[in-house]
Amino acid sequence: QKEVEQDPGPLSVPEGAIVSLNCTYSNSAFQYFMWYRQYSRKGPELLMYTYSSGNKEDGRFTAQVDKSSKYISLFIRDSQPSDSATYLCAMSYKAAGNKLTFGGGTRVLVKP
Amino acid sequence: GAGVSQSPSNKVTEKGKDVELRCDPISGHTALYWYRQSLGQGLEFLIYFQGNSAPDKSGLPSDRFSAERTGGSVSTLTIQRTQQEDSAVYLCASSLARDDEQYFGPGTRLTVT
Repeated sequence: QKEVEQDPGPLSVPEGAIVSLNCTYSNSAFQYFMWYRQYSRKGPELLMYTYSSGNKEDGRFTAQVDKSSKYISLFIRDSQPSDSATYLCAMSYKAAGNKLTFGGGTRVLVKP
Repeated sequence: GAGVSQSPSNKVTEKGKDVELRCDPISGHTALYWYRQSLGQGLEFLIYFQGNSAPDKSGLPSDRFSAERTGGSVSTLTIQRTQQEDSAVYLCASSLARDDEQYFGPGTRLTVT
């Protein structure tokens, strides 16, 4: 079983809908939690970075971390066709040199 | 400012040949990471450099893989005697310090024929 699990999708939503993404993890040592967006044939782009349980909001994006349940989420409000991409969750902890462990990624398609 | 850059963007090589992949991190970033992204395995950590410390090589899949970082800046990932299973996108990331956010380059797509 992988340390970080993520539903591969694809997740198809109409424009303007809320996109809900999540990851579960098994290693309680993880301290830092990230969401990256990756367009086809491009490198991952950092969207959100959090290190505590609770919510963090940035524009249309909200990241949630629940360390007790080992569960993180990303919500995208008012989704746009330009949000169509693969979304990767990633996690790390200091004792491991902050090297990232990634989920497998969820493909999202926002239809106009 | 300039982001992480990688070269070449694409590399096609014959099985058994050696390849070198280059990464230029964001200026001033002390930490540099190499990852590999393949269809079957997703995105996996390979090696990590932090300042003048010895690199963390724990993710390198075999001794055919090596990397160096010269002058605390540019890094080169070398794959010797390439195999078809080495075909993947090799991604480099850098961060200001060890515990900071990592920013990725566009990657080098390696195809071994």
